[in-house]
Amino acid sequence: DGGITQSPKYLFRKEGQNVTLSCEQNLNHDAMYWYRQDPGQGLRLIYYSQIVNDFQKGDIAEGYSVSREKKESFPLTVTSAQKNPTAFYLCASSPRDRGTNTEAFFGQGTRLTVV
Amino acid sequence: RKEVEQDPGPFNVPEGATVAFNCTYSNSASQSFFWYRQDCRKEPKLLMSVYSSGNEDGRFTAQLNRASQYISLLIRDSKLSDSATYLCVAHMNRDDKIIFGKGTRLHILP
Repeated sequence: DGGITQSPKYLFRKEGQNVTLSCEQNLNHDAMYWYRQDPGQGLRLIYYSQIVNDFQKGDIAEGYSVSREKKESFPLTVTSAQKNPTAFYLCASSPRDRGTNTEAFFGQGTRLTVV
Repeated sequence: RKEVEQDPGPFNVPEGATVAFNCTYSNSASQSFFWYRQDCRKEPKLLMSVYSSGNEDGRFTAQLNRASQYISLLIRDSKLSDSATYLCVAHMNRDDKIIFGKGTRLHILP
């Protein structure tokens, strides 16, 4: 089955440690995205990538880093520079078709808690 | 001005009623628009795309007004299972950025 997979589902991190969240898709989508969602809030864009080996900062990129070495994979690293990393992280992918089918498909999310 | 704005609600609506949400967007370069539904502690899921001519899917109707830069969602004969947060989404043409509104919370009351 085609889809987008995030792992792990729950993640605990000690303050001061870097942690990497995995996102893999087998939908053959060119574009991939990382969002952060805080309780009762909307989705805020962290980073996105339109194509392999290229990515752009979103609205809240500080304290995060990404890579896009393969089309299928877009891992997100939450660094120790991120002051308030506890949140629900959502990865999405989308085709770059300029027609109508450009909706984003989401993984199930990773809940990161700093302890 | 935020790129995509929605009334956060909550909208408390009796079962069977009709409810409408609006959403405004600021970037005229936005290419495609969508409504997503998000249940508590779950990922967002596509409810429907929004076309300029308007489109309907069962009890749901979506409209796009490019001149006024707003999108609407109408839910008829609301069900208890419609209770969720509804997210308005704009997909930018130029850079493939996908921007979400903060969502509108809907509670259908029995």
